[in-house]
Amino acid sequence: GQQVMQIPQYQHVQEGEDFTTYCNSSTTLSNIQWYKQRPGGHPVFLIQLVKSGEVKKQKRLTFQFGEAKKNSSLHITATQTTDVGTYFCAGPNFSEKLVFGKGTKLTVNP
Amino acid sequence: GAGVSQSPSNKVTEKGKDVELRCDPISGHTALYWYRQSLGQGLEFLIYFQGNSAPDKSGLPSDRFSAERTGGSVSTLTIQRTQQEDSAVYLCASSLSRLSTDTQYFGPGTRLTVL
Repeated sequence: GQQVMQIPQYQHVQEGEDFTTYCNSSTTLSNIQWYKQRPGGHPVFLIQLVKSGEVKKQKRLTFQFGEAKKNSSLHITATQTTDVGTYFCAGPNFSEKLVFGKGTKLTVNP
Repeated sequence: GAGVSQSPSNKVTEKGKDVELRCDPISGHTALYWYRQSLGQGLEFLIYFQGNSAPDKSGLPSDRFSAERTGGSVSTLTIQRTQQEDSAVYLCASSLSRLSTDTQYFGPGTRLTVL
């Protein structure tokens, strides 16, 4: 079946450093969604990308959808302690069910 | 408006007992999902309901797990004869429809501890 893989699994940065997480699908995706889960919290929707090569920004966060629509990335510029959490990507399988990646856990040293 | 709610927020039970976890989706959302998240792990899909269609039970780990959704709204996840490996946070999410472009809204989860 379809797989959505995320790397790295863990990332530890110093506050102010940049951070990137990558999401790769075994199949072409019609869209991709990103979620953030704060420690002790539940996943919260961040953004959805639909178009090939699409780039969207939310303040210090930049989301990109690959040209082939099989990969995506989330880049955070100048991380802050409020960025701590696990970032999940999710893409639909053939039956339109969202398949979540295993997430990238980000920790930030103040 | 109200988001997705789940109850109880915490449940401690003894091995071998049955437990019921409840999810109240956002009003008007036709799709409802159950996930399991073990400590520090990702989201494990369990079951998915969409309107009156037959549920997608492909993620249920064993026949001890079952779920129902009454009247297209509230859902209950039942775990029979609980085992220690069932300890996890059980998350419920709802979305407006079954379309993959619809955002999933997660509840706060139920933390299940099996002693």
